[in-house]
Amino acid sequence: DADVTQTPRNRITKTGKRIMLECSQTKGHDRMYWYRQDPGLGLRLIYYSFDVKDINKGEISDGYSVSRQAQAKFSLSLESAIPNQTALYFCATALSTGLGGYTFGSGTRLTVV
Amino acid sequence: AQSVTQLGSHVSVSEGALVLLRCNYSSSVPPYLFWYVQYPNQGLQLLLKYTTGATLVKGINGFEAEFKKSETSFHLTKPSAHMSDAAEYFCAVIPLNSGYSTLTFGKGTMLLVSP
Repeated sequence: DADVTQTPRNRITKTGKRIMLECSQTKGHDRMYWYRQDPGLGLRLIYYSFDVKDINKGEISDGYSVSRQAQAKFSLSLESAIPNQTALYFCATALSTGLGGYTFGSGTRLTVV
Repeated sequence: AQSVTQLGSHVSVSEGALVLLRCNYSSSVPPYLFWYVQYPNQGLQLLLKYTTGATLVKGINGFEAEFKKSETSFHLTKPSAHMSDAAEYFCAVIPLNSGYSTLTFGKGTMLLVSP
């Protein structure tokens, strides 16, 4: 099994719908992150969490919310999806300072029509 | 805010040729530096990192990078490209003295390898 598992892998949804992307990890890492990847823009940070009781906004948090249900689970919600949220979403985890590098999931490709 | 610039959204090389992917950071205080690779339809994988110590860092798959403070650079190289190196490469930083907050990525460079 993958160390960082994202579900679903692909999703097509309609404008205005609420959608949740889920991330679970078996690494035992305390830090978890949600990034969004768009062609030509690299990865941009949406939200991050250093532990279960800690949630922080990233660079592009508007239109998104998160929940850290347990140390191993971190979900991303789009309350009312819009077409410009069509992107590839990555969950990542890191231990302590993050200087050992992040472990990424395989991504969720979300299309909002 | 700390930023990372990758010169060239696409780099094309022939198999066996030198690979050079450029990365510059914007800070008077050098950050912690990383290179990640993304193969098609996959997540990102850590290639190498510089945090302290030797400025020439060796990574996986024959890649290496050199931290040059005077040039604010952390360019990625490989002496001889292989077809399997075709992927997107991202330079990333964690600012020093930031409480080890978060990783900031460059916009990526797509490496194309031709036979």
